Amino acid sequence: AIRMTQSPSSFSASTGDKVTITCRASQGITNYLAWYQQKPGKAPKLLIYAASTLQSGVPSRFSGSGSGTDFTLTISCLQSEDFATYYCQQYYSYPFTFGPGTKVDIK
Amino acid sequence: EVQLLESGGGLVQPGGSLRLSCAASGFTFSSHAMTWVRQAPGKGLEWVSGISGSGGSAYYADSVKGRFTISRDNSKNTLYLQMNSLRAEDTGIYYCAKDANSGSYFDYWGQGILVTVSS
Repeated sequence: AIRMTQSPSSFSASTGDKVTITCRASQGITNYLAWYQQKPGKAPKLLIYAASTLQSGVPSRFSGSGSGTDFTLTISCLQSEDFATYYCQQYYSYPFTFGPGTKVDIK
Repeated sequence: EVQLLESGGGLVQPGGSLRLSCAASGFTFSSHAMTWVRQAPGKGLEWVSGISGSGGSAYYADSVKGRFTISRDNSKNTLYLQMNSLRAEDTGIYYCAKDANSGSYFDYWGQGILVTVSS
């Protein structure tokens, strides 16, 4: 199975900050990567697919980049509603796998 | 509006069985692969199983292979997960999710259903 790692595992940030989360795959997955946001007690929400395509309705302050094994999720100007846990997921091959998550909390 | 509603969760003893259901509406069910994802208490997301739109192909995580069976009834717009030989580590919230395409990312999720495996 393809192993996904994320860094950092958690960090504190302030409203207005630019934040970057990194995701790495144990083997090349071209651009078959999605990012999700999850808030406590809620189901995950799709943010980005195909590594860099913004899901409909997701604010443009979210962006994704990368290909192969290294990917990033960037939030250009952190808003209060963005404090959550973020997961990457590969869908290049079964079994699909998620990264361990990155929790973004308020500084 | 796409809706996914899970049911069938609850408390079960180790070694027991449970069948989860996910009732889907708001899209052409048979045209989309479907997936189960779980989340242990305080932990991250774990992909469990996926099934093609026709039901002809099914895939499993190594952690559940041989114990769980995914299926679907396209006439009822319902996804199932039969879970046998349950273990304490199967405890968590189980989400059904709609694949955006055939075997891809998940664009809609249910609210989740809690499964607790404990004596």
